[in-house]
Amino acid sequence: SQKIEQNSEALNIQEGKTATLTCNYTNYSPAYLQWYRQDPGRGPVFLLLIRENEKEKRKERLKVTFDTTLKQSLFHITASQPADSATYLCALDIAGGGNKLTFGTGTQLKVEL
Amino acid sequence: GAGVSQSPSNKVTEKGKDVELRCDPISGHTALYWYRQSLGQGLEFLIYFQGNSAPDKSGLPSDRFSAERTGGSVSTLTIQRTQQEDSAVYLCASMRQGITNEKLFFGSGTQLSVL
Repeated sequence: SQKIEQNSEALNIQEGKTATLTCNYTNYSPAYLQWYRQDPGRGPVFLLLIRENEKEKRKERLKVTFDTTLKQSLFHITASQPADSATYLCALDIAGGGNKLTFGTGTQLKVEL
Repeated sequence: GAGVSQSPSNKVTEKGKDVELRCDPISGHTALYWYRQSLGQGLEFLIYFQGNSAPDKSGLPSDRFSAERTGGSVSTLTIQRTQQEDSAVYLCASMRQGITNEKLFFGSGTQLSVL
């Protein structure tokens, strides 16, 4: 069955380091992949979208890569700060209909001083 | 308002009762989604509305769940005869046109607790 996998274990890193989160998916290759941030008690907030013909996308300290051969996206936060601590979710149109986003379970990131 | 608004923010109900959850999407957004998030779990798709098209109800877990969207704006998710396993955060999101190269704008959710 089609699914999206994110590392369910929390990622703890030191302030200033680069955090790398992984999103893997099976079967259908989506045209777009999105990353969201979710803080406790809040809804997810959109961060970045990357298209299948884009290898890499950057926004300030964030970088996303998209490897359609490996069926994997990597999400990087450089010079991480405690304020970056949150759960990060990847989302894609795994059903192929072009209008419904399926989310991964998310990876919790904790940036320590 | 500028964002997606959901009400109530918290709802505690007894098993067997019916509940209604409300979502006000961003004005002008044609697509509206309901997701459910259980403790420590990912977002589970429930239902999707796009303009005047028939809604995609493929994610509704049982016939106790239903949703409507009146006038292409406000949406109500109804859960009849609630069960304890219905306890979760119910998130509503809207999208400008409802195609996956756009971003979703989420509300803060309704925390439903079924005792």
